[in-house]
Amino acid sequence: DIQMTQSPSSLSASVGDRVTIACRASQNVNFHLNWYQQKPGKAPKFLIYAGSTLQSGVPSRFSGSGSGTDFTLTISSLQPEDFATYYCQQSLTTPYTFGQGTQLEI
Amino acid sequence: QVQLQESGPGLVKPSETLSLTCTVSNESVSDYYWSWIRQTPGKGLEWIGYVYHSGATDYSPSLKSRVTLSIDRSKNQVSLNLNSVTTADTAVYFCARRRVVPAAFDVWGQGTMVTVSS
Repeated sequence: DIQMTQSPSSLSASVGDRVTIACRASQNVNFHLNWYQQKPGKAPKFLIYAGSTLQSGVPSRFSGSGSGTDFTLTISSLQPEDFATYYCQQSLTTPYTFGQGTQLEI
Repeated sequence: QVQLQESGPGLVKPSETLSLTCTVSNESVSDYYWSWIRQTPGKGLEWIGYVYHSGATDYSPSLKSRVTLSIDRSKNQVSLNLNSVTTADTAVYFCARRRVVPAAFDVWGQGTMVTVSS
């Protein structure tokens, strides 16, 4: 299985901050990397696919980059509704695997 | 817009079979791949498998011997059966629509909590 490792596991930030979350794959996944946002008690919400393409309706303050084994999710100016847990997921091959999550706290 | 709703028992006894149904609204199950994903505090998000309307399936190797996914086109539903459950199968279970390309989960159900306990 491809292991996905996110860093940091948790992050404290303030409204207006720029934050970056890293995701590393245990082997090359090319551009097959997706990002999700999850709020407590809710299902994950699909944010970004193919490493850097925003899903329709996702605010432009979210961006993704990277390829191969190293990827990042950046939120350019945090809004109150952005405080949540973020997950990366590789879609190169089954079993699809997720990172352990990064909890973004105020 | 597409909506997914999981349903099934919230409590299952050890060694028995966990059975869940995902009802899909405003979309035909014949048009996409459908996955089940579970979430636990300890293991995080874990992909269980997917099923396609053709009947094609793919399962996580760690669960393959115990899991069956199926589609009922007449009811527009996707089902999960996980047999010989243990307490380690206690989790929130989500159904999700998987895009063909890329293999991303773009629509999720709200999830249903299943506890395995005697």
